Amino acid sequence: GNSVTQMEGPVTLSEEAFLTINCTYTATGYPSLFWYVQYPGEGLQLLLKATKADDKGSNKGFEATYRKETTSFHLEKGSVQVSDSAVYFCALSPNTGFQKLVFGTGTRLLVSP
Amino acid sequence: DVKVTQSSRYLVKRTGEKVFLECVQDMDHENMFWYRQDPGLGLRLIYFSYDVKMKEKGDIPEGYSVSREKKERFSLILESASTNQTSMYLCASRNNRDGAYEQYFGPGTRLTVT
Repeated sequence: GNSVTQMEGPVTLSEEAFLTINCTYTATGYPSLFWYVQYPGEGLQLLLKATKADDKGSNKGFEATYRKETTSFHLEKGSVQVSDSAVYFCALSPNTGFQKLVFGTGTRLLVSP
Repeated sequence: DVKVTQSSRYLVKRTGEKVFLECVQDMDHENMFWYRQDPGLGLRLIYFSYDVKMKEKGDIPEGYSVSREKKERFSLILESASTNQTSMYLCASRNNRDGAYEQYFGPGTRLTVT
């Protein structure tokens, strides 16, 4: 079946450090891939997405590239800010059937000044 | 902007009570979803609805039911609340016209069952 595996957190960084959060997936066919972010006390917001191999999603300085050969969609940011502290969820949506989202378990990012 | 609202941010109920969680979206989306979020488990799908009066079980439907009488409103019902249903509940909606698959989430309801 479809599944998403994320690195366990928390990830603790100092402000302006480089961020990578790893995400790999298992799916049949060619799913769409997403990163969602959840700030404290809030629901999930879509951060970025990619719908086919080699697509790069980007938003707010975050980037992730859809790598079919390694079944990965790692999230990166060149210089994190304290305001980036949140929980990040990787998710996939199969491109057949009803396209339910399948989520990873989430990775908490803590950025200190 | 898409707006998904949930009736309560925090709720405390007693074991055995019937609990209603309400979700409303204002963008005429066909699909709506209920998830629960627990530490270390991520988001798990409870129920979803293709459209008005249609509902399908998700991955963990036991102990829950849903109602979708109007397109904009999707209700989650705990018939007899139990302590293991203490969790964060998230509602989402989606417009799956034009191949758009992303879901839009409400702020969540943190339910405590004592």
